[in-house]
Amino acid sequence: NAGVTQTPKFQVLKTGQSMTLQCAQDMNHNSMYWYRQDPGMGLRLIYYSASEGTTDKGEVPNGYNVSRLNKREFSLRLESAAPSQTSVYFCASSLTGTGEQAFFGQGTRLTVV
Amino acid sequence: QKEVEQDPGPLSVPEGAIVSLNCTYSNSAFQYFMWYRQYSRKGPELLMYTYSSGNKEDGRFTAQVDKSSKYISLFIRDSQPSDSATYLCAMSARTDSWGKLQFGAGTQVVVTP
Repeated sequence: NAGVTQTPKFQVLKTGQSMTLQCAQDMNHNSMYWYRQDPGMGLRLIYYSASEGTTDKGEVPNGYNVSRLNKREFSLRLESAAPSQTSVYFCASSLTGTGEQAFFGQGTRLTVV
Repeated sequence: QKEVEQDPGPLSVPEGAIVSLNCTYSNSAFQYFMWYRQYSRKGPELLMYTYSSGNKEDGRFTAQVDKSSKYISLFIRDSQPSDSATYLCAMSARTDSWGKLQFGAGTQVVVTP
C-alpha cells in the first residue's frame, strides 16, 4: 500500500537546468496537487488537477508546468530552474476536488545553485 | 491577513501532559477541517478529519470545530516524546468548481521526557 510516491527524493540543479518531478498515487484518487514548503511560508499550492485531463494554477505557479499523465500520475516540470525554486516539494492526492483528506508523498528536496 | 492563522510555537510540554493546539480562520465557507502531523524531513500525515462542527475523538487525539467562532482545536492526551512534530491545520470549502485546501503555518511541538 504505497499511497503517494514521489521521485526523486533529493536533487541538486544548476541555475537554468530543467527537471521533472514525478508523482504517482495508487488510491484511485481523482484530484492531485503540487505544493512547495518553505520555512516560515507554510505549504503553498503550485498547481492542481481536480480530475484526470484538467489542470489549473494555484497560488505560486510561475516557473512551473504540470502534466496529468493519467489518473495515477501528475508531474511537475521546472523549465529553467532558479535559486528561488530551492524548496521541498510535496505531491498530494484526494478522492474529491475539495481536497479534504488529502494524502501526501514524502517530498522532494530540491536545491538550485 | 491570512485565511488561516496558526501560532508557529514552539510549544514545549513534559511527557504525559495535554497538548492543546488551535487555528483560527476567516472564511465562513470552510466546512472540511483537518489536522496533519509532520515529522522532520517527512511529508504531512493526515491525523484527524472533521466535517462541519463538532468533536471527533481517535485514541489520544481529539479534534474540535467551532464554526460560530471560526476556531478549531486539537488536543493530545498523555503526550509522548514520539508526538514531537509539527502540526498543521488545514481546511477547505466546497465551491461550484473546486475547493482549495488552505493550510496554517504549523505549530512545532516538543514533548520532553
